Amino acid sequence: QKEVEQNSGPLSVPEGAIASLNCTYSDRGSQSFFWYRQYSGKSPELIMSIYSNGDKEDGRFTAQLNKASQYVSLLIRDSQPSDSATYLCAVRDSNYQLIWGAGTKLIIKP
Amino acid sequence: DAEITQSPRHKITETGRQVTLACHQTWNHNNMFWYRQDLGHGLRLIHYSYGVQDTNKGEVSDGYSVSRSNTEDLPLTLESAASSQTSVYFCATSGTDNSPLHFGNGTRLTVT
Repeated sequence: QKEVEQNSGPLSVPEGAIASLNCTYSDRGSQSFFWYRQYSGKSPELIMSIYSNGDKEDGRFTAQLNKASQYVSLLIRDSQPSDSATYLCAVRDSNYQLIWGAGTKLIIKP
Repeated sequence: DAEITQSPRHKITETGRQVTLACHQTWNHNNMFWYRQDLGHGLRLIHYSYGVQDTNKGEVSDGYSVSRSNTEDLPLTLESAASSQTSVYFCATSGTDNSPLHFGNGTRLTVT
């Protein structure tokens, strides 16, 4: 059974600090990796896609992919209260099926 | 702007009734998906379609059906609603097999 693992949290981070969210996956042949943000009562919203090893930056967000260690992380710099949400990691496996993590709840404390 | 419209946003129905949830997209995407989301289970795939007349079962397909007669729509039918199908349902689309999903706003279904 292919799996994507995330710490459920909640992860509590002071405002202005860096929030670090991690995700590990089991299928070594996975193709692409996505981070979604989901506010309570809302639908998931794509915030980052990453397809190759290394870092990808977009504003305050940085996605990091390490295929050898089978993990992908999301860093949020200068965390704001509006970043408080559940963050979902999704991995497209070697069969192009999308496998979802259960999500990490992030709380940014003012 | 392209969008995915789900209707209704909220639905209350009785056990045993047939219910259809609508999903309409203007992305012109071939790939469409239905998920349910429950506390403690995350997103679970119900059915998906890679194009007109194509439908496939996901991991939790029992009690649900879909049909794809055009590119824009993938309605989800609960043949005989059960209390265990109380959930939030999301429709999503993707342009290619390797691209991310775009989600609709969801339908909250309560079966009493």
